[in-house]
Amino acid sequence: DAKTTQPNSMESNEEEPVHLPCNHSTISGTDYIHWYRQLPSQGPEYVIHGLTSNVNNRMASLAIAEDRKSSTLILHRATLRDAAVYYCILRDVGRDDKIIFGKGTRLHILP
Amino acid sequence: DTGVSQDPRHKITKRGQNVTFRCDPISEHNRLYWYRQTLGQGPEFLTYFQNEAQLEKSRLLSDRFSAERPKGSFSTLEIQRTEQGDSAMYLCASSLSSGSWGNEQFFGPGTRLTVL
Repeated sequence: DAKTTQPNSMESNEEEPVHLPCNHSTISGTDYIHWYRQLPSQGPEYVIHGLTSNVNNRMASLAIAEDRKSSTLILHRATLRDAAVYYCILRDVGRDDKIIFGKGTRLHILP
Repeated sequence: DTGVSQDPRHKITKRGQNVTFRCDPISEHNRLYWYRQTLGQGPEFLTYFQNEAQLEKSRLLSDRFSAERPKGSFSTLEIQRTEQGDSAMYLCASSLSSGSWGNEQFFGPGTRLTVL
């Protein structure tokens, strides 16, 4: 499985936008980019996914580089409840099984 | 609540004892996954089922571990002769497989196991 690289931790102020980067230079043409997050003392939860085009949903936006070797998860207005570990994951379009998690980015939100 | 549930939420046991965890997936989901998570690490895949069939097992799943999903609904994960290295959070997830791209997995709150 192709690997992703994320910063270990990031800080942001409450009510400001947050940009969480992810590098995936060995991504293949059939890999979707998925993001999950894990709030303290909870299981992971799905955030967003995309293939080539930028994506928006109620939780976040996903900006994908033109060469697809990197992507950025954007939280438009961070709240204290967004403090979590964010995982950037590649999943092959033809596979529908296990998720391979890395260590993710621990996001701290400062009040 | 119609999410994934796990029982118990916490388990403390002595080394050498057997433990069993239960996972109840979202009712219409045909896939069920078990993951293990240690402190500071992301979840690691253990095994998964489609309906009652166990389709894949990780090398992490030693012969002391066994998982079942007898009627394609709830699942149990048993660890025999527990060791201190088994201390971790055990996460269950479920999804509705359509046979195409990676569908969203819904995770339960986990069972935290402490082996003394």
